[in-house]
Amino acid sequence: DQQVKQNSPSLSVQEGRISILNCDYTNSMFDYFLWYKKYPAEGPTFLISISSIKDKNEDGRFTVFLNKSAKHLSLHIVPSQPGDSAVYFCAASSFNAGNNRKLIWGLGTSLAVNP
Amino acid sequence: GAVVSQHPSRVICKSGTSVKIECRSLDFQATTMFWYRQFPKQSLMLMATSNEGSKATYEQGVEKDKFLINHASLTLSTLTVTSAHPEDSSFYICSATGGLEQYFGPGTRLTVT
Repeated sequence: DQQVKQNSPSLSVQEGRISILNCDYTNSMFDYFLWYKKYPAEGPTFLISISSIKDKNEDGRFTVFLNKSAKHLSLHIVPSQPGDSAVYFCAASSFNAGNNRKLIWGLGTSLAVNP
Repeated sequence: GAVVSQHPSRVICKSGTSVKIECRSLDFQATTMFWYRQFPKQSLMLMATSNEGSKATYEQGVEKDKFLINHASLTLSTLTVTSAHPEDSSFYICSATGGLEQYFGPGTRLTVT
């Protein structure tokens, strides 16, 4: 059962335009959400996060929006650049059996930014 | 940002042998380290969580006797794949955290022949 869902496996955007990546979750106990960017054969790179007590967090060209009632978050990249082309993973933070925080991952969205 | 290294970056081994992968946090002390596995075109699958000086917590379905995890210090965790089989071939990634964000290593490509 996928607790974190990224329903769009891929997205193509023109350079300079806005990229919007979406993520839905089912567990209302998640209290922290993160976005990671990943290139092939590399580990993910942390991009931006948001606490469940906020509805927006901005860092440069990246903004994450959280709608708790809809259990939905989105990552906005503006303006999009060709170097942003990568797979973007949404993750939600939860606790495991050992009371450690762990991340529950979506399946990723492959973003292609065309020059 | 925080830097996490992994060694080796790729390894090829014969079926039945064991392989050790190291994960180090280079510029911070990691209270917790995580080991993930990624299959082609799939998401990251958490295998286990380890805290320094204590036993790792394994996710359901992950064999703890096959995937041995040791977290000997606040900057080093190791994953040993014992008696490796071809189906263990995968991309293994570690991450480390001292707070809420996890910082990932570059991954290790394991191929078992």
